[in-house]
Amino acid sequence: QSALTQPRSVSGSPGQSVTISCTGTNSDVGGYNYVSWYQQHPGKAPKLMIYDVTKRPSGVPDRFSGSKSGNTASLTISGLQSEDDADYYCCSYADNYSFEFGGGTKLTVL
Amino acid sequence: QVQLQQSGPGLVKPSQTLSLTCAISGDTVFSISAAWNWIRQSPSRGLEWLGRTYYRAKWYNDYAVYVKSRIIINPDTSKNHFSLHLNSVTPDDTAVYYCTRETDVALDIWGLGTMVTVSS
Repeated sequence: QSALTQPRSVSGSPGQSVTISCTGTNSDVGGYNYVSWYQQHPGKAPKLMIYDVTKRPSGVPDRFSGSKSGNTASLTISGLQSEDDADYYCCSYADNYSFEFGGGTKLTVL
Repeated sequence: QVQLQQSGPGLVKPSQTLSLTCAISGDTVFSISAAWNWIRQSPSRGLEWLGRTYYRAKWYNDYAVYVKSRIIINPDTSKNHFSLHLNSVTPDDTAVYYCTRETDVALDIWGLGTMVTVSS
């Protein structure tokens, strides 16, 4: 069982927006502003999409945005495109200098 | 462009040691703004952080509590590599293992992954 809780699946039509939640505790999500999000296509390595809760690495479209409130972080993808169809994982820095991951959310673009 | 190239066996016998190496190109294992991590992924356990090594005037390590007693992550400074050694493996250690670079408390560069099966 993963330390952070994500919905197993979400879906949306092209052009729509979806939000994926990631719930932790005061020892991880709520205690640090170091939440990151990763996109993973089948058979590929994860790709960093958001870091420090809200920041986007160079090259990541501004359709991807992150936020946090208390012990819950969220990833919002607006203007859904077919290539967004993938698994998404949240990750948080946690006590004991560690990283914790969510169980992953399967995004289906209908 | 930073790249990580993984190498190591895909099959390890139970009770033996799993050893993987990650070669760094485009950066240095001595970087004072990076740390070098190992992550694994399995269908049953999802993504799991294993640990990191990093240089800040001397070498440091952090390890996940659940593997702390049987893991070593160390740099090879002459080859600009870092390695994972996980001993006393069981079938539960079967997973895809990734080496990653950590900057700004996020994992920004990933290796392609190595599928490691623990089986006799």
